Amino acid sequence: QKEVEQNSGPLSVPEGAIASLNCTYSDRGSQSFFWYRQYSGKSPELIMSIYSNGDKEDGRFTAQLNKASQYVSLLIRDSQPSDSATYLCAVNMGAQKLVFGQGTRLTINP
Amino acid sequence: ETGVTQTPRHLVMGMTNKKSLKCEQHLGHNAMYWYKQSAKKPLELMFVYSLEERVENNSVPSRFSPECPNSSHLFLHLHTLQPEDSALYLCASSQEIGGANYEQYFGPGTRLTVT
Repeated sequence: QKEVEQNSGPLSVPEGAIASLNCTYSDRGSQSFFWYRQYSGKSPELIMSIYSNGDKEDGRFTAQLNKASQYVSLLIRDSQPSDSATYLCAVNMGAQKLVFGQGTRLTINP
Repeated sequence: ETGVTQTPRHLVMGMTNKKSLKCEQHLGHNAMYWYKQSAKKPLELMFVYSLEERVENNSVPSRFSPECPNSSHLFLHLHTLQPEDSALYLCASSQEIGGANYEQYFGPGTRLTVT
């Protein structure tokens, strides 16, 4: 079993709709969770971090964490073409180990 | 994006060459990291430094040799690489290596091609 799993996509969403990106992880003791956005040919950019169960909102982005189900998600409201990118889920599995999923490629269709 | 800088941005080297990648962070962070990103594979952690001390070496071949002279600078020395080492090499930094200050910020990366 992969430590951090994401659906590689591509996920195609119409402009203005809600994009939902999902991630599951294997280490039940993980405490810190991150979402990165990576445009093609660029480096990952941190967009959200979440540490507690529940929802965390930042502008059009909402991160959701359910530690009992070992599940973290990212919702993007009012999706824009500029949101088209690969979204990486990362989980802190130990003091020095940030483990990344393979990423979900998201395409927003105008 | 200027918080963490990397040079060079692109590098082509032969298998017998020796080259070095450089990373500098301007964020006042205490921890720095090297990652490798290959096509179709997740980001792979290579090395972790905290206050210039290496705290993680993730089973990386000895042809990759890191160096951290101070908390702002990180190098990756390369020698006798293989074509499968061609990848995007990313440097990152964080305030600390754990807890709430563990958010990592990435540099633009060095695109390495080994011929």
